[in-house]
Amino acid sequence: DAMVIQNPRYQVTQFGKPVTLSCSQTLNHNVMYWYQQKSSQAPKLLFHYYDKDFNNEADTPDNFQSRRPNTSFCFLDIRSPGLGDAAMYLCATLIEGGNEQFFGPGTRLTVL
Amino acid sequence: AQSVTQLGSHVSVSEGALVLLRCNYSSSVPPYLFWYVQYPNQGLQLLLKYTSAATLVKGINGFEAEFKKSETSFHLTKPSAHMSDAAEYFCAVSQNTGGFKTIFGAGTRLFVKA
Repeated sequence: DAMVIQNPRYQVTQFGKPVTLSCSQTLNHNVMYWYQQKSSQAPKLLFHYYDKDFNNEADTPDNFQSRRPNTSFCFLDIRSPGLGDAAMYLCATLIEGGNEQFFGPGTRLTVL
Repeated sequence: AQSVTQLGSHVSVSEGALVLLRCNYSSSVPPYLFWYVQYPNQGLQLLLKYTSAATLVKGINGFEAEFKKSETSFHLTKPSAHMSDAAEYFCAVSQNTGGFKTIFGAGTRLFVKA
């Protein structure tokens, strides 16, 4: 079965301490997305990759970075987490055919 | 530019009653339209999608939605609500131009009363 796996599911970090969230996908698609979803809000696109071509949304803070070492894996790095970065972080890719996003289960980030 | 408007941030129905969640969209080109469901601390699960085939789309868990171009609407319905339908529902629109990017509505939380 096609899968998007996110680790960890729950992450606690301290204010200002760098944190990395990971995502892997078995659909072998060349597009991957990272979304931030705050409580009771819609998911907000942070950036996406087309192969290794990185596409940053205009309003994504510089505090958020990403790496994609290969087709299957993608990482979200938060360099200096603030209290406002506490959220659910969702990773997604496209299904074969490319007309539907497939989401992972998310990582819930808590910043103390 | 694309946009999605979901009418009603909260909807409450009784178990067994009709569920109707409203969604209106704006798109300059023929859109792809989606409904996703999200349970607490989980990712988004696709309920159904419209991709320019049949205007009445049937999805999982007994949900369906009708694409009405003249009304720019894509409302989600289910004839009989079940307690397990209580969740957050997101309507979304995508275009396959310059990369497949999705715009989400603000979401509607569905409450189901026993």
